Parts: sequence; structure tokens; C-alpha cells
Amino acid sequence: GQNIDQPTEMTATEGAIVQINCTYQTSGFNGLFWYQQHAGEAPTFLSYNVLDGLEEKGRFSSFLSRSKGYSYLLLKELQMKDSASYLCAPARDNYGQNFVFGPGTRLSVLP
Amino acid sequence: DAMVIQNPRYQVTQFGKPVTLSCSQTLNHNVMYWYQQKSSQAPKLLFHYYDKDFNNEADTPDNFQSRRPNTSFCFLDIRSPGLGDAAMYLCATSGSLVPEAFFGQGTRLTVV
Repeated sequence: GQNIDQPTEMTATEGAIVQINCTYQTSGFNGLFWYQQHAGEAPTFLSYNVLDGLEEKGRFSSFLSRSKGYSYLLLKELQMKDSASYLCAPARDNYGQNFVFGPGTRLSVLP
Repeated sequence: DAMVIQNPRYQVTQFGKPVTLSCSQTLNHNVMYWYQQKSSQAPKLLFHYYDKDFNNEADTPDNFQSRRPNTSFCFLDIRSPGLGDAAMYLCATSGSLVPEAFFGQGTRLTVV
């Protein structure tokens, strides 16, 4: 089985930095995805970590610690358009990207 | 150009009347997924195909079935929709060479 935990909601101010944490326990593990989902839209891919450490991609960075079952998504220089749900998704199997989403964190960016 | 296409975007069906949702892809990806998303919740994986190999999630009700006649198409069949099955249904694909999944725009199902 799997157990994935994220904060339900977070609020931050435009221009600030926010860190969204995710802890997970899965029966298999082949990396961890972060997706962004705006209200009424499909999820879009943000990052994929398969090795421990920090991956930086523009304003977004993602960190993984496999031994701790822990990941975070770091968003810098927040913009209003970053208001969305952020979904942590551990990939379970080795042959592909078989993944399930965590409960999601709804981020509100205030002016 | 849309790469994962779901039809229709909106579907209204009657309580208990079988309904089929469709998904097609132009990416030639070998993995296809179906997710159910209810209001204010994260998408929930129902099942996925790796090529023709069908993988059902343990908690997916028997009321939900799927078919994948070829690489490009995948269908979600709801045999007897209940009011609790009203949701957004998302199809996604992924390939072995790229890590990310590509999602269709979803089909919003209403049960009346």
C-alpha cells in the first residue's frame, strides 16, 4: 500500500518563498513527481526526482530524500499565478511511471 | 496540438445507465492511466495499462471497467453509474523514455 502526506493548505505573499513538504511510504519506489493543478484544469508536470538531492528548474526546485521518505517543492519569487494545488506523486514501479497522487496542497498567493 | 484527447468534455448520464468515456493519444506512449477527481480532492488512480497489461487499483469498484484496443485509444466504462460517480475523469499517458505524464483535459461526468 501507500501513504502520502502533504499539508492541506498554505498561504504566502507575492514575491515570497514557500516550501511544500511531502512524506510518503510506498510499496515500491521509482522516483517522485510534483504536479501543479489550477482549478478546473488538468495537472501539469513540474519535476521528477529519482536520486537524492535538489533539482532546480527556474523558480521551482524539488528535493528528495529516499531514506527518509521525504520530498519538498520550493517555490521562489511567488507570483499570483502560482495559486494552485500542488500534488506530490511517488512512482511505485520500476518499469514505468506508475504513480498515485498525494492529497495535494492548495497554495494561495496573496498580493 | 492536443496530444491526449478526451471526449466528450462534458457527459450527462442517467443513474444506472452505462456510459463510456474515451481517450486517445498521439504520443505513442505505452502507459495510459485513468483518474477520478472529485471536487476539492486530488485525482485518484483507478487503473492503468502498461501496453496491454491491465493494472487495477485494489480499491477501484467493479463498476468501473476499461478497454485498450490499441496503443492510441483507451476507454473507461461505468456499468451502472451512481450519483457518487459524478466527477472529473482524467486520462493520462506516459512513455518509458520521459518521466512525465501528459494529461487530457478531462471529461466532467454528471449523473442525473
